[in-house]
Amino acid sequence: EAQVTQNPRYLITVTGKKLTVTCSQNMNHEYMSWYRQDPGLGLRQIYYSMNVEVTDKGDVPEGYKVSRKEKRNFPLILESPSPNQTSLYFCASSYFPGDEQYFGPGTRLTVT
Amino acid sequence: AQSVTQPDIHITVSEGASLELRCNYSYGATPYLFWYVQSPGQGLQLLLKYFSGDTLVQGIKGFEAEFKRSQSSFNLRKPSVHWSDAAEYFCAVGASNFGNEKLTFGTGTRLTIIP
Repeated sequence: EAQVTQNPRYLITVTGKKLTVTCSQNMNHEYMSWYRQDPGLGLRQIYYSMNVEVTDKGDVPEGYKVSRKEKRNFPLILESPSPNQTSLYFCASSYFPGDEQYFGPGTRLTVT
Repeated sequence: AQSVTQPDIHITVSEGASLELRCNYSYGATPYLFWYVQSPGQGLQLLLKYFSGDTLVQGIKGFEAEFKRSQSSFNLRKPSVHWSDAAEYFCAVGASNFGNEKLTFGTGTRLTIIP
């Protein structure tokens, strides 16, 4: 089954404690992306990747890092989380940027 | 830079009534346009997309959208809504030129269906 998986689905952590949210897709997609969803703000793109070892900033990259060492995986790293990063995070993938995005189920992150 | 405006934050319609959700975009070239739906507690699902060609696009679940270049709009329509259509709807615009690979979403329109 074609899918995008994210882990964990829910995470409560404290300020400053490094965390990683994993994202994996099984559709051999070139393009992967991370979004955060906040009430009234819709989805905002954090980072995207056109292919292995090719990543670039989206609209709200501050406080986040990503890597793309394998085509199927695109982890999101918060090296020093802060409360303003409390949000719902989605990973997505597609064959190319303008194509249909396949979304993961989301990760709800709370930083206290 | 591209942008998307969904002017209606929340819309309430009666079951069986027609629906139109508005989307206006800003982009310098021919855009890729999408409508996604998010049911409560779920991820996003693609309803339909426009790349080129026929400006009236049919999607899943009986939805359609019309691309109007002169109005920079891509409104979503459904002739008769069902209670299961209650969800949040997002319009998105993507770039059609190499070198601009972002996908920009609107802030969403929440749809409530009343019996």
